Amino acid sequence: AQSVTQLGSHVSVSEGALVLLRCNYSSSVPPYLFWYVQYPNQGLQLLLKYTSAATLVKGINGFEAEFKKSETSFHLTKPSAHMSDAAEYFCAVTVAYSGAGSYQLTFGKGTKLSVIP
Amino acid sequence: EAGVTQSPTHLIKTRGQQATLRCSPISGHTSVYWYQQALGLGLQFLLWYDEGEERNRGNFPPRFSGRQFPNYSSELNVNALELEDSALYLCASPNSRLGQGVDTEAFFGQGTRLTVV
Repeated sequence: AQSVTQLGSHVSVSEGALVLLRCNYSSSVPPYLFWYVQYPNQGLQLLLKYTSAATLVKGINGFEAEFKKSETSFHLTKPSAHMSDAAEYFCAVTVAYSGAGSYQLTFGKGTKLSVIP
Repeated sequence: EAGVTQSPTHLIKTRGQQATLRCSPISGHTSVYWYQQALGLGLQFLLWYDEGEERNRGNFPPRFSGRQFPNYSSELNVNALELEDSALYLCASPNSRLGQGVDTEAFFGQGTRLTVV
């Protein structure tokens, strides 16, 4: 079964500092990986997705993630944190649901990012 | 194009009552996912409907049920409410069409905050 593990339920960074949110996946087949962001009292919004076209994926709001097969990782980074980045971030993987020709997203437990002024 | 809409925004029920939550997917999308987001537990997959049929369900008791209507909107019903059912319930509408799937992006509604007292 495919799954993702997010390391660290809470990460704090200073404004202007590097943001690094960790995600490791387990998959017996090439995975399709996603990062979503959830602002307070909101639903989830897609930040970026990896679909095997390129290992370095750029998303919205200056975020990017690199797929590293050797490390089974898909960590999310941003060079310089902004106050508006404070939110909860979820890594997700697509799980193939056999027989139906369709797929289902499985999420990690989330990492809450705090940005300190 | 309207996004995924959920109603009501907030719902307060007493223990033992029933709750009904509603979701309308993006126009043209035929699938609906339901997730429960309880404090500290991340997103837990509840149910997946596609073309009017239940395709898969997560590890939840049978008192969590739902249905999908011919117009692809969906209802989630929670019977015999318990205090631990208090959570944000999110509905997602995956952008899947014939021939796509594994890299499908899911669009989320803003959720229904269910409080059981």
